[in-house]
Amino acid sequence: EIVMTQSPATLSVSPGERATLSCRASQSVNSNLAWYQQKPGQPPRVLIYGASTRATGVPVRFSGSGSGTEFTLTISSLQSEDFAVYYCQQYNNWWTFGQGTKVEIK
Amino acid sequence: EVLLVETGGGLVQPGESLRLSCAASGLSFSTYWMIWVRQVPGKGLEWVADIKGDGSDKFYVDSVRGRFTISRDNARNSVFLQMNSLRAEDTAVYYCARLTRDIGVVPAAFWFDPWGQGTLVTVSS
Repeated sequence: EIVMTQSPATLSVSPGERATLSCRASQSVNSNLAWYQQKPGQPPRVLIYGASTRATGVPVRFSGSGSGTEFTLTISSLQSEDFAVYYCQQYNNWWTFGQGTKVEIK
Repeated sequence: EVLLVETGGGLVQPGESLRLSCAASGLSFSTYWMIWVRQVPGKGLEWVADIKGDGSDKFYVDSVRGRFTISRDNARNSVFLQMNSLRAEDTAVYYCARLTRDIGVVPAAFWFDPWGQGTLVTVSS
């Protein structure tokens, strides 16, 4: 099983600031990685797939990068609606998720 | 608009069974793999099972294999999760989702979208 590890567990950011979230795979997943956003009481919503492709309707302030075992989700200027939990997911070998990074208001 | 609605959750005792349903609308249902994912309240996400569009292939996470069975009825645009021999550690919100893919890129990309709102399964004595 490919283990996905996200860091940090919690990220405190002020509105308008940049947020950088990390995701590491226990073995290479090539670019077979997606990012999801989940708000309280809601199901996850896909943001990024293929490590760097924004899903339909996702604002351009969200960007993904990386390949192999190291990935990054960047939110260029945090808006109030962006405070949520973010999960990475690999689909190179079945499907496994990271444990999530909570982005909270500083 | 694609809509997925899960039903069937509830409180059961360890060892008992439960059947979850997911009704889909707004899509050509039989052409898509469908997924069950669970989430312990306040915790992360875990893929549970998936099933091919025609029902011919099914896959499970190790922790549920032999206890859970995924199935579908394409005439009713529905996917099911039969859960037997339930354990306390199966307590979670269970989501169904569509496996969406983009085969126009290399390599092909896959993601889960959309998701239903989820149904809570509580296993407790």
